[in-house]
Amino acid sequence: DTGVSQDPRHKITKRGQNVTFRCDPISEHNRLYWYRQTLGQGPEFLTYFQNEAQLEKSRLLSDRFSAERPKGSFSTLEIQRTEQGDSAMYLCASSRDGNEQFFGPGTRLTVL
Amino acid sequence: AQSVAQPEDQVNVAEGNPLTVKCTYSVSGNPYLFWYVQYPNRGLQFLLKYITGDNLVKGSYGFEAEFNKSQTSFHLKKPSALVSDSALYFCAVRATGGSYIPTFGRGTSLIVHP
Repeated sequence: DTGVSQDPRHKITKRGQNVTFRCDPISEHNRLYWYRQTLGQGPEFLTYFQNEAQLEKSRLLSDRFSAERPKGSFSTLEIQRTEQGDSAMYLCASSRDGNEQFFGPGTRLTVL
Repeated sequence: AQSVAQPEDQVNVAEGNPLTVKCTYSVSGNPYLFWYVQYPNRGLQFLLKYITGDNLVKGSYGFEAEFNKSQTSFHLKKPSALVSDSALYFCAVRATGGSYIPTFGRGTSLIVHP
């Protein structure tokens, strides 16, 4: 069990640029979740996958946000045309049975 | 809809004293309940869960939580706090039989004073 990894750990970008984050879940976990966390708040659900199928994406914050998990292993979260309000910590978590989740360290996005 | 309330933004306790971090929830049907801890600059770590069975659940680092269905609560407890327990604690809930999407509370900052 090597844990959930996320890359990059920090991303600074200019408004209007696109960014992509990667998450590598624990290998035997079939569920993968993306969250956004802002200061003073708990994780806010964005989307999740069971294997390669994206089962819920209606809570992605806008159509600028998209996620993929093409082979049921790693996942990417893309934000197009970033805005200053997108600045936050983006968390990835994986789960074997849909109950307890194992979180990565997060990617901190700063949009200038 | 499901929701979690953590009524205290911060809990202060002296080392060696018992601690309680409060959580109440709202969900349709039976709940699955979770506690996570977040240390500075670290990801959230799973502490414990209630799925079914005994109302008192024991978890990592000496923490336990009591499920109270009538009060819709799932308070986190520890008999004797350590300075190293100082962290952010998050309660989460999801409905059984529904989607596998939990709702998290806003978090409670626990500060244990030496």
